[in-house]
Amino acid sequence: EVQLVESGGGLVPPGGSLRLSCAASGLTFSNYWMSWVRQAPGKGLAWVANIRQDGSEKYYVDSVKGRFTISRDNAKNSLYLQMNSLRADDTAVYYCAKLMVGKIDSWGQGTLVTVSS
Amino acid sequence: DIQMTQSPSSVSASVGDRVTITCRASQDLSNWLAWYQQKPGKAPKLLIYATSTLQSGVPSRFSGSGSGTDFSLTISSLQPEDFATYYCQQAKGFPWTFGQGTKVEI
Repeated sequence: EVQLVESGGGLVPPGGSLRLSCAASGLTFSNYWMSWVRQAPGKGLAWVANIRQDGSEKYYVDSVKGRFTISRDNAKNSLYLQMNSLRADDTAVYYCAKLMVGKIDSWGQGTLVTVSS
Repeated sequence: DIQMTQSPSSVSASVGDRVTITCRASQDLSNWLAWYQQKPGKAPKLLIYATSTLQSGVPSRFSGSGSGTDFSLTISSLQPEDFATYYCQQAKGFPWTFGQGTKVEI
């Protein structure tokens, strides 16, 4: 069974930084595109970033470009999201997600990031 | 970016009802459309991908249809565990985008 476990969320002031991690198990991690998806409180789902199996391709939603960096360590079965220059509108639950062709078939339980002074 | 518009934003229904949710894309998706169910405080769950392919383990009362820009999710006979929020998502190209969600309420 695929398990994705996020960590690293918390309270951070505007302009601060945070690094999210996602530990993957039950799959050959290096075979899959991975993604971060977020959900602001009471709002819908919003894709944040994707990364190719070997890390050679990365895509970001416009609102986080230049501030967030997605990365992975296949030897550690781990996905990361480095978030800098955080803003109040980055407040959300951040989900780690495993991609297949045309779908997200596994999700973590999410980690809450709150940007507030 | 491809915009996804779901309707209705909420629907009130009873156990046993047939419920249909629609999703319209701003561009032709071919069949690159998926549906997810989310319950409060939980991660989303994949229901349907490629417009009409049921994910393993999902009950057959869920079905999807459509092509191009217009798609729908139908629950043929609503069960108590189906009360949740449903999202469509296009996978035609990055950035993948979601509809705003449809809450199915009692």
